[in-house]
Amino acid sequence: KQEVTQIPAALSVPEGENLVLNCSFTDSAIYNLQWFRQDPGKGLTSLLLIQSSQREQTSGRLNASLDKSSGRSTLYIAASQPGDSATYLCAATGANSKLTFGKGITLSVRP
Amino acid sequence: GAVVSQHPSRVICKSGTSVKIECRSLDFQATTMFWYRQFPKQSLMLMATSNEGSKATYEQGVEKDKFLINHASLTLSTLTVTSAHPEDSSFYICSAIHGTSGAYEQYFGPGTRLTVT
Repeated sequence: KQEVTQIPAALSVPEGENLVLNCSFTDSAIYNLQWFRQDPGKGLTSLLLIQSSQREQTSGRLNASLDKSSGRSTLYIAASQPGDSATYLCAATGANSKLTFGKGITLSVRP
Repeated sequence: GAVVSQHPSRVICKSGTSVKIECRSLDFQATTMFWYRQFPKQSLMLMATSNEGSKATYEQGVEKDKFLINHASLTLSTLTVTSAHPEDSSFYICSAIHGTSGAYEQYFGPGTRLTVT
């Protein structure tokens, strides 16, 4: 059974800092890995999707990497802004398209 | 493109009543949709896989007679919470698959906040 772990559960940084959010998964047999953003009381916004054959994806200030062999993915946020404050979830897609989510990292960017 | 809607966004009901939540793919056809539940400060937990034209597949521990799923068309899946109880209060989110096999991506609806009093 796939398990996805995100540590730490919460992170507080000053504005402008570059930061890395970590995600680990136990079963490397994944089709892809997705990073999502969730604002309080809201649904999910897809940030980046990395296919199993890819190593990384970039969108604006976000860069996500994937190392299947070690069961790790990282989300890099450059020049963080207060508007980046949210919960960031990673999820691994396995058999039958099922997503297994981590518990998320709640990020707070202080002005 | 690839927009998924949910209705209603919020619903309050009394214990013992039933509530129906709709999930629609607005600009694509989705043969497979998923229903998730999220409790406060917890992650999303998959409840069931909804397949168009066939019975839903439920995850272990999810009561299929309590959470009725109907995927009547390629753009609509419904989740009915029957005989709702306060412990069913949660955030319910659906997703739909868009894309070819091997490159598929799940697109999520905005969620439905259910409160059972």
